[in-house]
Amino acid sequence: SAVISQKPSRDICQRGTSLTIQCQVDSQVTMMFWYRQQPGQSLTLIATANQGSEATYESGFVIDKFPISRPNLTFSTLTVSNMSPEDSSIYLCSVIPRGAAYEQYFGPGTRLTVT
Amino acid sequence: QQQVKQSPQSLIVQKGGISIINCAYENTAFDYFPWYQQFPGKGPALLIAIRPDVSEKKEGRFTISFNKSAKQFSLHIMDSQPGDSATYFCAASMFPGNTDKLIFGTGTRLQVFP
Repeated sequence: SAVISQKPSRDICQRGTSLTIQCQVDSQVTMMFWYRQQPGQSLTLIATANQGSEATYESGFVIDKFPISRPNLTFSTLTVSNMSPEDSSIYLCSVIPRGAAYEQYFGPGTRLTVT
Repeated sequence: QQQVKQSPQSLIVQKGGISIINCAYENTAFDYFPWYQQFPGKGPALLIAIRPDVSEKKEGRFTISFNKSAKQFSLHIMDSQPGDSATYFCAASMFPGNTDKLIFGTGTRLQVFP
């Protein structure tokens, strides 16, 4: 497995502002993903964070709203831009560690509330 | 075709009983089926997973049963304990090549009473 940390763990933000969430892994990983989990709901993939290139976004998510960076094999950021109350969710990064065939592990999440 | 249907939405089990959660899928290209356990305020934790080449996998009190022809799989928790009270998500993915993304079920909230 891998030890995954996210910063911040939670935040309360004002409408119209942006928040950058960091995901740090203690070992190299092959794949990194960003998910959203709305209160009481399941998880929805936002995008796959690709090292050194643009992220691959799922239907309904766009780069202008959720810019993602992945400068190396252990770190990624997700920015939630121009926030509205509808963006209030838990944002989770997940990874497939190097050497793991399928297993995907999740970070602790960032709980975002937009007022 | 990309959906994973999960039932029941909630489940109440007495301590020592068996908890059973079911999932069904349509896309026959799925070839990896994990289960995640999530406690309030925490990220999902990988519990157990199976691939279609086996019909059952057991790890401790947790067992996955897989029926390829019916495109269904289920999680059985034997001797359920209050500490098992959590939300459980099934998922499916295709690997390798196409994408490693997980398609999640809608979740089952399990409550185990002493």
